[in-house]
Amino acid sequence: NAGVTQTPKFQVLKTGQSMTLQCAQDMNHNSMYWYRQDPGMGLRLIYYSASEGTTDKGEVPNGYNVSRLNKREFSLRLESAAPSQTSVYFCASSEFKGASSYGYTFGSGTRLTVV
Amino acid sequence: GIQVEQSPPDLILQEGANSTLRCNFSDSVNNLQWFHQNPWGQLINLFYIPSGTKQNGRLSATTVATERYSLLYISSSQTTDSGVYFCAVMERGSTLGRLYFGRGTQLTVWP
Repeated sequence: NAGVTQTPKFQVLKTGQSMTLQCAQDMNHNSMYWYRQDPGMGLRLIYYSASEGTTDKGEVPNGYNVSRLNKREFSLRLESAAPSQTSVYFCASSEFKGASSYGYTFGSGTRLTVV
Repeated sequence: GIQVEQSPPDLILQEGANSTLRCNFSDSVNNLQWFHQNPWGQLINLFYIPSGTKQNGRLSATTVATERYSLLYISSSQTTDSGVYFCAVMERGSTLGRLYFGRGTQLTVWP
């Protein structure tokens, strides 16, 4: 099925551990995004990639790194996890053309707990 | 960045009732979308509506871009409408496609 696939769906980390969240889309979209969702806060952008080979910081990039491996894949890495990074992480993709953003599609999310 | 405010933050309805959710934004936009997050956490795009009115079944949305607000109408609500509704906007002139989200309206529909 077409869409955005995220792995893993759940993860528990100890403070200081590292991990990478994987995201892949099969809709041939140029743009990909990582958001985090915290209770009562809506979704906040961590990093985004407007096209293959480019990445930019969003609203809350501290403590994260990203890699746009190819057009399909966009990974998010936590180098040294902290309890403040406990959240639900969503990957999304879209086909951005001029003033429009087509097919903004989200993955099913990764629920991360840092203890 | 652009500010997005949604109201009300919480809404509780009996099945069959109608409701209106509001989204105000602080600057000109060229893209506004409404999303529904179901109780399992999945985010679904409901409408792409930078201006005008659209309808999809029992849901409709209206955006008045000049006055910087959008409304989402839910008629004859059903328990499956429960979840969080998010409004998200893209700044006019953006070349990167990023969306700014409001904090959402938590809707609970009781049978």
